[in-house]
Amino acid sequence: QVQLQESGPGLLKPSQTLSLTCSVSGGSVNVGDYSWNWIRQHPGKGLEWIGNLYSNGRAEYNPSLKSRVRISEDTSKNQFSLILTSVTAADTAMYYCARDAPYYGSGTLYPFDHWGPGILVTVSS
Amino acid sequence: DIQMTQSPSSLSPSLGDTVTITCQASQDIRDYLSWFQQKPGKAPKLLIYEASFLETGVPSRFSGRGSGTDFTLIITSLQPEDVATYFCQQYSDLPLTFGQGTRVEI
Repeated sequence: QVQLQESGPGLLKPSQTLSLTCSVSGGSVNVGDYSWNWIRQHPGKGLEWIGNLYSNGRAEYNPSLKSRVRISEDTSKNQFSLILTSVTAADTAMYYCARDAPYYGSGTLYPFDHWGPGILVTVSS
Repeated sequence: DIQMTQSPSSLSPSLGDTVTITCQASQDIRDYLSWFQQKPGKAPKLLIYEASFLETGVPSRFSGRGSGTDFTLIITSLQPEDVATYFCQQYSDLPLTFGQGTRVEI
């Protein structure tokens, strides 16, 4: 059973760079047809997909954040990471990592079946 | 971006009621739609994928239907543990997008 766990700082100041890591157990980030995703949820609001990383190293990003986001992997540690630059109060949110389920679809994109518990990130001066 | 519009935003049924939540996509997404349940302080949990397929372990009182632009999540015989917020999500195209959520309270 795949398990994901987010880690990183919970508090940043405006203009700083957010760096979060998702540790994966029960599966490998560089094996299979999975995509490894970052999703965030502003307090009391809906969910926003940030981007993902495929096992072949290709990344896709939400155009609304693309200029500030980078997702990468560390296969030696079986982790993938999110970098978000120039944060503002609008980036205050719960951040989740998630994996999709290619065995659940017939297209090129798939539903998320495994999520980490999430990490709250607050941006405040 | 594909916009996902859910309704209602909240509802307050009674135990044992049948609950219906709708989700409308701004363009044809075929059946590339999933439904999630989120309880306070928890990550979303997959209930339904490809519009109508039940995730393993999800009670059969949950069902989904629809295709194209109009989708429905149905909860029959509402139980206390079904109090949660429900989200739809399209995976037809990037960027992946979610509905704004429907809060179910008893």
